[in-house]
Amino acid sequence: EVQLVESGGGLVQPGRSLRLSCAASGFTFGDYAMHWVRQGPGKGLEWVSGVSWESGFIGYADSVKGRFTISRDNGKNSLYLDMNSLRPEDTAFYYCAKDYSDGSGYSPSFDLWGQGTLVTVSP
Amino acid sequence: QSALTQPASVSGSPEQSITISCSGTSSDIGGYNYVSWYQQHSGKAPKLIIYEVSNRPSGVADRFSASKSANTASLIISGLQAEDEAVYYCSSLTSSSAVVFGTGTKVTVL
Repeated sequence: EVQLVESGGGLVQPGRSLRLSCAASGFTFGDYAMHWVRQGPGKGLEWVSGVSWESGFIGYADSVKGRFTISRDNGKNSLYLDMNSLRPEDTAFYYCAKDYSDGSGYSPSFDLWGQGTLVTVSP
Repeated sequence: QSALTQPASVSGSPEQSITISCSGTSSDIGGYNYVSWYQQHSGKAPKLIIYEVSNRPSGVADRFSASKSANTASLIISGLQAEDEAVYYCSSLTSSSAVVFGTGTKVTVL
């Protein structure tokens, strides 16, 4: 079955760290760029970060630059997001998403999404 | 990285056509043919319905079409159906190698 499964969310205090993981199956993970997208409760979508298939091209939203780090392990079919210095405004569902394109770099087209993992940043 | 601007809500009767606009700048929509559209039903993950301005992924109904002119992209839903009631988001690549989403448009089928 083609799917993405996120894990690692939870309740964390401001200033602390958390690592999210995304396990991919049913497709050749190493061929595609991958992304993290978040959605606060009752809010819209916000792109967080993206990484090309070979990790040579990485980008971040200004809101997380310097605090979050995206990485991938193609041998383990897994995507990660290391989140440091967490803030209350980082509270959201975090989705792992597969890029539609198998070319270089990445695109804004995500054709496979996980179910999301909830991160709550609160004292 | 300001969000792309979409109308908060659009409504229409069954079988009517509606258009959702997505306004950006020359640093995003206007600079690239990398505009996508997503449909999100309540409590569900988003679904890609348009990529690269006007292309539909396999399995997406041809009632959905899209275009771009200068810094504005548009999604047209023809023959509106009850199951089209959802929130729709546009997205674009940006000149800073980021991805930006629109503010979202809630579509109501009257």
